[in-house]
Amino acid sequence: DAKTTQPPSMDCAEGRAANLPCNHSTISGNEYVYWYRQIHSQGPQYIIHGLKNNETNEMASLIITEDRKSSTLILPHATLRDTAVYYCIVRVYNTNAGKSTFGDGTTLTVKP
Amino acid sequence: SQTIHQWPATLVQPVGSPLSLECTVEGTSNPNLYWYRQAAGRGLQLLFYSIGIDQISSEVPQNLSASRPQDRQFILSSKKLLLSDSGFYLCAWSKQHNNEQFFGPGTRLTVL
Repeated sequence: DAKTTQPPSMDCAEGRAANLPCNHSTISGNEYVYWYRQIHSQGPQYIIHGLKNNETNEMASLIITEDRKSSTLILPHATLRDTAVYYCIVRVYNTNAGKSTFGDGTTLTVKP
Repeated sequence: SQTIHQWPATLVQPVGSPLSLECTVEGTSNPNLYWYRQAAGRGLQLLFYSIGIDQISSEVPQNLSASRPQDRQFILSSKKLLLSDSGFYLCAWSKQHNNEQFFGPGTRLTVL
């Protein structure tokens, strides 16, 4: 699986957009980019995933560069409840055993 | 709708004692099942995954084992706990041929 690199921590002001970067320079053509987040002492929560087109759902937007070597998760209007560790992983979508390695992620702190 | 349960929520065990953590999934059939461990402040380490009853793959060598006696039941065990087994244990499931994983609430294990 392609390895991902994320900054260890980021701050964001409440109400502003939070842009979380992820580098995955060794991503393969059939690997998707997935984002999860983990609020303290809870299990991770799926946010969004994409292959090459930008994606948007009710939680966030995912921007993937044209060469697919990096991506950015955007929380358009961050709230205090968005404070969490955000994990970026890359995996082949259609496999029968979705092994996912979660690195240390980015700790996002939303400040009032 | 699908739900995933883990118990116990917290556990304190002496070194050398046995361990049994249970995970069950409701509302789906033939899921992929996973056990992860998370050390304090770190990412998730995949321990075991299963694509079916009695089909278990181990990702890292250790003194833990996993079993899947029923389609929606996944058990993590140890005969003798080590201090290094302390951590946050998370169970997750995904649909076959899909890498979107849904996590349980976790079990916080402290080995003294």
